[in-house]
Amino acid sequence: SQKIEQNSEALNIQEGKTATLTCNYTNYSPAYLQWYRQDPGRGPVFLLLIRENEKEKRKERLKVTFDTTLKQSLFHITASQPADSATYLCALDASNYQLIWGAGTKLIIKP
Amino acid sequence: DAMVIQNPRYQVTQFGKPVTLSCSQTLNHNVMYWYQQKSSQAPKLLFHYYDKDFNNEADTPDNFQSRRPNTSFCFLDIRSPGLGDAAMYLCATSRDLDGPNTDTQYFGPGTRLTVL
Repeated sequence: SQKIEQNSEALNIQEGKTATLTCNYTNYSPAYLQWYRQDPGRGPVFLLLIRENEKEKRKERLKVTFDTTLKQSLFHITASQPADSATYLCALDASNYQLIWGAGTKLIIKP
Repeated sequence: DAMVIQNPRYQVTQFGKPVTLSCSQTLNHNVMYWYQQKSSQAPKLLFHYYDKDFNNEADTPDNFQSRRPNTSFCFLDIRSPGLGDAAMYLCATSRDLDGPNTDTQYFGPGTRLTVL
């Protein structure tokens, strides 16, 4: 069955540095991959979508890469700020309007 | 602003006492979803609607039911909540742009369910 892995350990980053989060998947070839941000006690909020034929996507301080050979996506936040602290979820397209979700990685940006 | 609204934000119920969670959307999206999310876990899809077409996940317990009376509203009924049903329940919507799997999901703030 399809499986998504995100680092379950929290990632601690010093303010101003680049944070890099990893999403690995197996047994699947998604047409696209999405990244969401989730704050405690809130629903996920969409950040970026990258398609299988795109190597990289950027939005302000965010950058996502998608390597279909490695079956991996990397999510980067440059010039990180304490306000970027949250849990970041990746999700892959599945059939019938559904997404396959990772459990997320908690990012902590220290001042 | 167009959005997804969930009520209540917090729900406390007793073991076995039925509860209904509600979701409304002003986005006019034709797909609506109900997810269950427990701490540090991925959202787990319970069911989704494409318009009025209901799609139940194979592993969603019969204890969970849903209704979508119109495009804007969707309800999650838990007939006999158990302690294991305590979780965050998330409602989400998406559009059908160029066919399946082409759009993002827009989430409500969630309802935190506590079962005593």
